[in-house]
Amino acid sequence: DAGVTQSPTHLIKTRGQQVTLRCSPKSGHDTVSWYQQALGQGPQFIFQYYEEEERQRGNFPDRFSGHQFPNYSSELNVNALLLGDSALYLCASSLALAGSTDTQYFGPGTRLTVL
Amino acid sequence: GQQVMQIPQYQHVQEGEDFTTYCNSSTTLSNIQWYKQRPGGHPVFLIQLVKSGEVKKQKRLTFQFGEAKKNSSLHITATQTTDVGTYFCAGPYSGGYQKVTFGIGTKLQVIP
Repeated sequence: DAGVTQSPTHLIKTRGQQVTLRCSPKSGHDTVSWYQQALGQGPQFIFQYYEEEERQRGNFPDRFSGHQFPNYSSELNVNALLLGDSALYLCASSLALAGSTDTQYFGPGTRLTVL
Repeated sequence: GQQVMQIPQYQHVQEGEDFTTYCNSSTTLSNIQWYKQRPGGHPVFLIQLVKSGEVKKQKRLTFQFGEAKKNSSLHITATQTTDVGTYFCAGPYSGGYQKVTFGIGTKLQVIP
C-alpha cells in the first residue's frame, strides 16, 4: 500500500520563474491538501482539492494554483516565484467523510529553493 | 481569524525526564490533531481527539483535550532520544471541511 508520494524532492529556481510540484495520494484517498512550511514554522494551509475542484483555500495569493486529476493526484503551481516562496511544500491526502475531519497523511515534501 | 498557539516553542530535557507541550486555540475546536515531525522529515499523524475532556494514551504519550475544547496537551513520560522532533497540534477551521490550522510547534531536544 503506497503512501503519499511527491516529486521532485528538491528543486532550485530563480525569481520570476514558475514551478510545478506533484503529489500522488495514499491509495484509497480522494482528497489532497497542500501546505507550505517555512523553516522553523508549522505547515500553512494553501488549498485543498476534492473531486477535481478547489474546495478550501488559505491566505495565499493567486500565484498559487492547483489541479486535481481524475486519479486523485494533484499538482501545485506557483508563478512569478519570490525569494519568500522558498519552503518545504507538503502534500497531505485524506478520505473525505461528510461532517468529519479525517486523518491526513503527509508526503515527504518538496524542498523548493528560490534564488 | 482562528489561531492555534503552542508553548513552549523549544524544550530541552535530559533523557528520562518528562515533557509536556500545550496547545491553545482562540476558538472552540470540533477536534484537535497532534503530529510529530522528525528533523528533516514530514509531519506524521499521532492522534485525533474529539470529545470534551478526552484523554488518550499511546505508550508513553498522553494526550488531553480540554473541557471547553479550546486547549490540549501532549505529555511524554520518561523521554527517550527517539522522541526528538517537533510536535504540532492542529485544529480544523470551524465550518471547514478538512482545512486545518497548525500551531508553530514545540521542538523537543533530548539530551542523552
